[in-house]
Amino acid sequence: KQEVTQIPAALSVPEGENLVLNCSFTDSAIYNLQWFRQDPGKGLTSLLLIQSSQREQTSGRLNASLDKSSGRSTLYIAASQPGDSATYLCAVYSGGGADGLTFGKGTHLIIQP
Amino acid sequence: NAGVTQTPKFQVLKTGQSMTLQCAQDMNHNSMYWYRQDPGMGLRLIYYSASEGTTDKGEVPNGYNVSRLNKREFSLRLESAAPSQTSVYFCASSDWTGSNSPLHFGNGTRLTVT
Repeated sequence: KQEVTQIPAALSVPEGENLVLNCSFTDSAIYNLQWFRQDPGKGLTSLLLIQSSQREQTSGRLNASLDKSSGRSTLYIAASQPGDSATYLCAVYSGGGADGLTFGKGTHLIIQP
Repeated sequence: NAGVTQTPKFQVLKTGQSMTLQCAQDMNHNSMYWYRQDPGMGLRLIYYSASEGTTDKGEVPNGYNVSRLNKREFSLRLESAAPSQTSVYFCASSDWTGSNSPLHFGNGTRLTVT
């Protein structure tokens, strides 16, 4: 069974720093990986989706990379801002219908002004 | 753009009561999902509907039923609520299950069962 781990569970950094969030998964046979953002009391917002054939995706100050063979993905946030404070979750799709989507438990990120 | 709309936003039930959580999407998506999110457990799939007219069980279906009313709407029913069903419930949709299209989530229903 696919397992997705996000370390650390929480992270606090000063504004302006570049930072990296980590996501690891146990089965490298995936179709895609998604990164989401969740604000308190809200649903998840999709940030980036990386297909299995891709190595990275970029959106503004966000860059997500995927290394299938090692079972790892990173989300790079450049020049962090207080508005980036949220919980970031990754999810991998391993096939077989909706049951094949496995979420990590997230990294709670605080950007200090 | 409304996206995925869930009602109600908050609900308190007594043990044994029933209720239906409503979800509607306006993105013409084929697939819809119900998840629950609990502290320390992450997101767990309750039921999903890969396309209009079909529904399937997810990881934690016991105590729930669903109805895919039409392409837009997917409801979740608790027939006899239990304290273990206290959770935050999220509805989501995507173009197709398993496709390289992202999931879109509603803002959730916070349910407390006393």
